[in-house]
Amino acid sequence: GQNIDQPTEMTATEGAIVQINCTYQTSGFNGLFWYQQHAGEAPTFLSYNVLDGLEEKGRFSSFLSRSKGYSYLLLKELQMKDSASYLCAVSREGNNLFFGTGTRLTVIP
Amino acid sequence: DTEVTQTPKHLVMGMTNKKSLKCEQHMGHRAMYWYKQKAKKPPELMFVYSYEKLSINESVPSRFSPECPNSSLLNLHLHALQPEDSALYLCASSQHKFEEKLFFGSGTQLSVL
Repeated sequence: GQNIDQPTEMTATEGAIVQINCTYQTSGFNGLFWYQQHAGEAPTFLSYNVLDGLEEKGRFSSFLSRSKGYSYLLLKELQMKDSASYLCAVSREGNNLFFGTGTRLTVIP
Repeated sequence: DTEVTQTPKHLVMGMTNKKSLKCEQHMGHRAMYWYKQKAKKPPELMFVYSYEKLSINESVPSRFSPECPNSSLLNLHLHALQPEDSALYLCASSQHKFEEKLFFGSGTQLSVL
């Protein structure tokens, strides 16, 4: 089986930095995805980490520690449009992609 | 073309109706997926097709019947649904099964009355 934990809700101020954590327990771990989903819309791909370390893509960065079963998504220079749910998803070898419950981020002025 | 197109966007159906959801992609992806998402919950996998063959069926009730007519198309046939089946149904595709990022369609919001 697998277990993926994320905070349910977070609030941050426009222009600030926010870190969304994800911890997981699974066998046959292959990699970890982060998706962004605005209300009523499809999830869109943000990042994919397979190896330990930090991957940076513009305002968004994602970190993975395989030994600790831990990842985070870092959002810098927050904008109002960043208000959305952020889904952590674990890929298992030759198998399913399991989504965490998602973190609903609200950016306030 | 980097889109996954789903039709219809909204669907309301009675419990005795038969309807179909359609999904199309022209990215040459060989894996296609159906996910079900209830409000404020994560997507849950229903079916996976890999090279037009059903490779995963996550114990979905038989009132949901998937079909993959060719590598670009994926259908989900619905029959005798229950009100609790009301949800957002998302189609996704990837180059190969779960090995790369999934591209999601915008979904079909289904209401069963």
